[in-house]
Amino acid sequence: NAGVTQTPKFRVLKTGQSMTLLCAQDMNHEYMYWYRQDPGMGLRLIHYSVGEGTTAKGEVPDGYNVSRLKKQNFLLGLESAAPSQTSVYFCASSSQGAQTGELFFGEGSRLTVL
Amino acid sequence: AQKITQTQPGMFVQEKEAVTLDCTYDTSDQSYGLFWYKQPSSGEMIFLIYQGSYDEQNATEGRYSLNFQKARKSANLVISASQLGDSAMYFCPSGGGATNKLIFGTGTLLAVQP
Repeated sequence: NAGVTQTPKFRVLKTGQSMTLLCAQDMNHEYMYWYRQDPGMGLRLIHYSVGEGTTAKGEVPDGYNVSRLKKQNFLLGLESAAPSQTSVYFCASSSQGAQTGELFFGEGSRLTVL
Repeated sequence: AQKITQTQPGMFVQEKEAVTLDCTYDTSDQSYGLFWYKQPSSGEMIFLIYQGSYDEQNATEGRYSLNFQKARKSANLVISASQLGDSAMYFCPSGGGATNKLIFGTGTLLAVQP
C-alpha cells in the first residue's frame, strides 16, 4: 500500500552538483507530475507526463530534466544545481489527470542547494 | 486550467463557525476538474474534495462542500463548523482538456481561533 514514494526525502547539494529525484507509484497511473513549492507559495508545475515514454513542460521547466522510461517511475534531474532550486519538491500521480477525482501526492523531498 | 486565482492570502475564523475560501479559474477546456487540498504545517497534501466540470450537483464531503459556479468560473470551498485542526494552507488545483496539466493557485492560509 505504498502509493506515491519519493526518494530521497532530504538532500543538500553544492552549487553545480547534479542529482536525480525519483518518484515511484504502484497504482498503474498514467499521469505523473513534478511540482516545486517555495516558502509561502503554491505548487508550481515543473514537468509532467501523460504516459510511459512521454514528458511535457510545465510552468517552470528551466534547469530541470525528466524521464519516464517505466510507467511506474518519473525521474526529475538537476544537471547543475543552483541556489534558486532550493525548494520542496512534490510528485503526484493520477489515473486520468483532472478528469477524475484521483490525485495522489508523495510526501515531498526537501532540497537545499548551497 | 491556465490560471488559478485564490484572492485571500489569509483568513481567520472562529472555531465552530463556517468559512468560505475563494477560488476562481481561467480555462478554455470543455472538460476539467477542480480539487481542494489542505496542507498543514507538517507539509503533506491532504485531499478534501473534487468537482468535475460536468457534475451537475455540488460536491460534498463531510464538513466540506464545494460551491461550483461554472458560468462564473468559481469553485469556492465551504468548511462548516470549523475546528482547530482545520488551520492549514488550502489549495485549489485544476486541470483538464487534452493535456490534463494540473495547475495550482497561491493558496489561502486559514487560521481557526478558539
